[in-house]
Amino acid sequence: DAGITQSPRHKVTETGTPVTLRCHQTENHRYMYWYRQDPGHGLRLIHYSYGVKDTDKGEVSDGYSVSRSKTEDFLLTLESATSSQTSVYFCAIALTGTAEAFFGQGTRLTVV
Amino acid sequence: TQLLEQSPQFLSIQEGENLTVYCNSSSVFSSLQWYRQEPGEGPVLLVTVVTGGEVKKLKRLTFQFGDARKDSSLHITAAQPGDTGLYLCAGEKTDKLIFGTGTRLQVFP
Repeated sequence: DAGITQSPRHKVTETGTPVTLRCHQTENHRYMYWYRQDPGHGLRLIHYSYGVKDTDKGEVSDGYSVSRSKTEDFLLTLESATSSQTSVYFCAIALTGTAEAFFGQGTRLTVV
Repeated sequence: TQLLEQSPQFLSIQEGENLTVYCNSSSVFSSLQWYRQEPGEGPVLLVTVVTGGEVKKLKRLTFQFGDARKDSSLHITAAQPGDTGLYLCAGEKTDKLIFGTGTRLQVFP
């Protein structure tokens, strides 16, 4: 199994509070991605990174920010959580932008 | 609007039946990948197709990339209960993987 760890695995938070999800890899892969998964939408890309301090927006980036200060860590922050951000969040890593993506086990976030 | 649309969204069949899942887009992709996801887990790669018209086989699964590299199909022969899961196509576009809407397959014994 690819060395990807997401934390926390489950979180319940209140509307308006900040939340940070962490993705940690031990594979030294250059590319890291954050996706959210909702019924009927498959996986939608939030943000991705192609190197330390190099990040870019995906298709559903509003309300989210990311940081990558080290190769192994990619953080996703919800500055002020809303109920529409209740979802399952997946982190993925890839050696290149076209290579197989390896996924973490997901973080289930509920905003009440 | 999702870039990659999959059909059908849900499929319930009996063991032994054949099925085809479609992945369609108006965009051209450099390559297309198919993933399978089990409940509570992340998706796992099944195959990557790169060349227009390419056909790849993985045991009872046959994957095809459209000639124009805008669409793909997954055909399963003689489905088994172990094939149950969520099937996702993903197109590669400028260093990003864009996923389809998903097809949830359930195979009953």
